[in-house]
Amino acid sequence: NAGVTQTPKFRVLKTGQSMTLLCAQDMNHEYMYWYRQDPGMGLRLIHYSVGEGTTAKGEVPDGYNVSRLKKQNFLLGLESAAPSQTSVYFCASSYHGTKNTEAFFGQGTRLTVV
Amino acid sequence: GENVEQHPSTLSVQEGDSAVIKCTYSDSASNYFPWYKQELGKRPQLIIDIRSNVGEKKDQRIAVTLNKTAKHFSLHITETQPEDSAVYFCAATLPNTGFQKLVFGTGTRLLVSP
Repeated sequence: NAGVTQTPKFRVLKTGQSMTLLCAQDMNHEYMYWYRQDPGMGLRLIHYSVGEGTTAKGEVPDGYNVSRLKKQNFLLGLESAAPSQTSVYFCASSYHGTKNTEAFFGQGTRLTVV
Repeated sequence: GENVEQHPSTLSVQEGDSAVIKCTYSDSASNYFPWYKQELGKRPQLIIDIRSNVGEKKDQRIAVTLNKTAKHFSLHITETQPEDSAVYFCAATLPNTGFQKLVFGTGTRLLVSP
């Protein structure tokens, strides 16, 4: 039982390049989330999904796209990376979304855009 | 929407001392308040949470108190140990809104010196 696994752990991009971050969970959770973490700003929600085939915008969705083709996977895409997207990205999943339950985080992806 | 403020941003204590981290929230309807601990380079993990129907909750050396009238809640760590060194995040959310509506504080970096 690996929990929540993110790929890759580190990445350096040039401005304008694209990339996809993969999040996989093996806990059969319905809900999945993508956050970014910046110094002094805590965790901010980018996009989330309440189930396979559904996605929704969070607090800071601009510049990102997501897809949830399979229940266990949640992909975060950057079509044209910008230096402002330099951050640590965390994926999380939870069993239930409408009841306040614990979410489990992945180990994070440190992305640098130069 | 909900807004969560967290203080202090950094806290240094000697091993064995107590540490207190405070958070205030803006929406009086919020009813779920978790605390997450993030060790350096690691993922955030839930350490304790409290719901609005109780005023205090303890788990060994950690406790959380909630003052609904003043709209603030605090994390108390007693007999601190070096392994308590981490960044701590508070959060708040409204009833039945799910993890995607959780609003995080900006974090407190706790350093426990031997």
